Amino acid sequence: DIQMTQSPSSLSASVGDRVTITCRASQSIGTYLTWYQQKPGKAPKLLIYAASSLQSGVPSRFSGGGSGTDFTLTISSLQPEDFATYYCQQSYSTPRTFGQGTKVEIK
Amino acid sequence: QVQLVQSGAELKKPGASVKVSCKASGYTFTAYYMHWVRQAPGQGLDWMGRINPNTGVTNYAQKFQGRVTMTRDTSMSSAYMELNRLTSDDTAMYYCAREVEATTGRFLDYWGQGTLLTVSS
Repeated sequence: DIQMTQSPSSLSASVGDRVTITCRASQSIGTYLTWYQQKPGKAPKLLIYAASSLQSGVPSRFSGGGSGTDFTLTISSLQPEDFATYYCQQSYSTPRTFGQGTKVEIK
Repeated sequence: QVQLVQSGAELKKPGASVKVSCKASGYTFTAYYMHWVRQAPGQGLDWMGRINPNTGVTNYAQKFQGRVTMTRDTSMSSAYMELNRLTSDDTAMYYCAREVEATTGRFLDYWGQGTLLTVSS
């Protein structure tokens, strides 16, 4: 199975900050990497697919990058509605493993 | 518009079974894999498996092999996830999610609202 490791597990940031979350795969997955945002009590929401493609309707302050084993999710200017938990997932093979999540909290 | 509507919350005793449904609308049900993901309280997302609604072929995560069965009813545009021999560790929110497979990648674009399963004696 492909292991997905996110860092950090949590972070505190202020509105307007630039935030970067990293995700590392245990083997190369090309660009088969997806990012989801989850708010408490809600289902996950698709943000970024194919490592860097922005899902329709997602604000342009979100961006993704990377290929192979190392990936990033960047929020260029954190907004109040962005405080949530973010997960990466590989779709290179089954099982479709998720990272453990990164909780973005208000400083 | 695409919608995935799941069945309601369940309370089960240890050792029992549960069957969760996911009714799809707004798209061709047989054209997209359906995945199941669970989330224990305060924990991360855990991929359980997927079903090809067109063929019925399934792939399960090793940890659920032998205990989970995913099926579909194309006439109802519905997918089902049955989990047997429940323990308290199975207490979680269970989600179905549609997978898009495109030249640009594979991803879960629509999710159900979740079904809360509580296992308690």
